[in-house]
Amino acid sequence: EVQLVESGGGLVQPGRSLKLSCAASGFTFSNYYMAWVRQAPKKGLEWVATISTSGSRTYYPDSVKGRFTISRDNAKSSLYLQMNSLKSEDTATYYCARVATEGNWFAYWGQGTLVTVSS
Amino acid sequence: AIVLNQSPSSIIASQGEKVTITCRASSSISSNYLHWYQQKPGAFPKLVIYSTSYRASGVPSRFSGSGSGTSYSFTISRVEAEDVATYYCQQGSSNPNTFGAGTKLELK
Repeated sequence: EVQLVESGGGLVQPGRSLKLSCAASGFTFSNYYMAWVRQAPKKGLEWVATISTSGSRTYYPDSVKGRFTISRDNAKSSLYLQMNSLKSEDTATYYCARVATEGNWFAYWGQGTLVTVSS
Repeated sequence: AIVLNQSPSSIIASQGEKVTITCRASSSISSNYLHWYQQKPGAFPKLVIYSTSYRASGVPSRFSGSGSGTSYSFTISRVEAEDVATYYCQQGSSNPNTFGAGTKLELK
């Protein structure tokens, strides 16, 4: 059974940094692209980042480019999201997701971890 | 960025009723790259339909999808109580991946 478990969320002040983690199990992690998708409170879904199987290629929307960094450790079956220079608009639940590259859909999702950016 | 316009934004339906949600893209998308998700209250999103018309594993046959180019639709043939959720379309054709704003389905 595919399992994705996020951690690392919490309350952080504007301008500070936070690193999220996602522990994967139930599949061969190194064979799949992975992604982060977020959802602001009572709002819709927003794609945040995608990483290739080896980690050599990463993709971001303009809203987080230069501030967020996605990475992975295939030996640990873990995905990460380093978030710097956080803004109030980054407040959201962050989901880790497994990507199906045939059509870039998000086949499996974790339960999410809440990040609140506030002073 | 490709904008996905989803309509309606909300639906109130009776059990057993047929409901259809449309998703219109600002640019043409290959049908391989248009997908639908279900998010029940308080839960994480779940893939329902991928590549326009393929049901994800375990998804009941009352869910279906169709479309091409810039116009796509998602249908529940006979709504059940467990279908109460918000439904989102998503395109993976070009970066940034984008989602529709969502359609909230409630029961009458």
